[in-house]
Amino acid sequence: AQTVTQSQPEMSVQEAETVTLSCTYDTSESNYYLFWYKQPPSRQMILVIRQEAYKQQNATENRFSVNFQKAAKSFSLKISDSQLGDTAMYFCAFMMGDDKIIFGKGTRLHILP
Amino acid sequence: EADIYQTPRYLVIGTGKKITLECSQTMGHDKMYWYQQDPGMELHLIHYSYGVNSTEKGDLSSESTVSRIRTEHFPLTLESARPSHTSQYLCASSDPRTGNTEAFFGQGTRLTVV
Repeated sequence: AQTVTQSQPEMSVQEAETVTLSCTYDTSESNYYLFWYKQPPSRQMILVIRQEAYKQQNATENRFSVNFQKAAKSFSLKISDSQLGDTAMYFCAFMMGDDKIIFGKGTRLHILP
Repeated sequence: EADIYQTPRYLVIGTGKKITLECSQTMGHDKMYWYQQDPGMELHLIHYSYGVNSTEKGDLSSESTVSRIRTEHFPLTLESARPSHTSQYLCASSDPRTGNTEAFFGQGTRLTVV
């Protein structure tokens, strides 16, 4: 069975700093998608960034970028120039061929003023 | 903002009552999901659907049931609520056929069974 592991339950960084959230996954599939979702306090879950496994180039969305290491089954999220609005739960997620999305346990990120 | 809606947002109900949590999306998505989110915020997939008349159980065993009679509607029902059902329930939808793999989430229903 596919699994997604986030080893950092909680992190805190100062505003404007760079922070990296870790995620590893386990699968025997070769074609899949990886995601980072953000859940702000009392607000809807939204997609931050996605990565197709067949693409070698790391995805980037403004201040958010990923380091995708397929052989190591690692998918970390880097947030540059962190802002107070980045405070949220961050979930790493995996979607396989049958389109079932599996989430990690989440990392609670606090951006400190 | 995503066009997926959950009602009610908050519900406090007595043990033994039957409840239905509503989820509707206007995006025409075939795939829909129900997740249970525990106090530690971990998400557990309890039901999903590939489309009309399709329902599948997720990874976490749940006493709830779902139906998918219409594409846009995916309600979750608890026949007899218990305190152990107290949780946040999140509904989501996606349509990978369009090439967009993103799942869109509702705002959630926070259920408390007393």
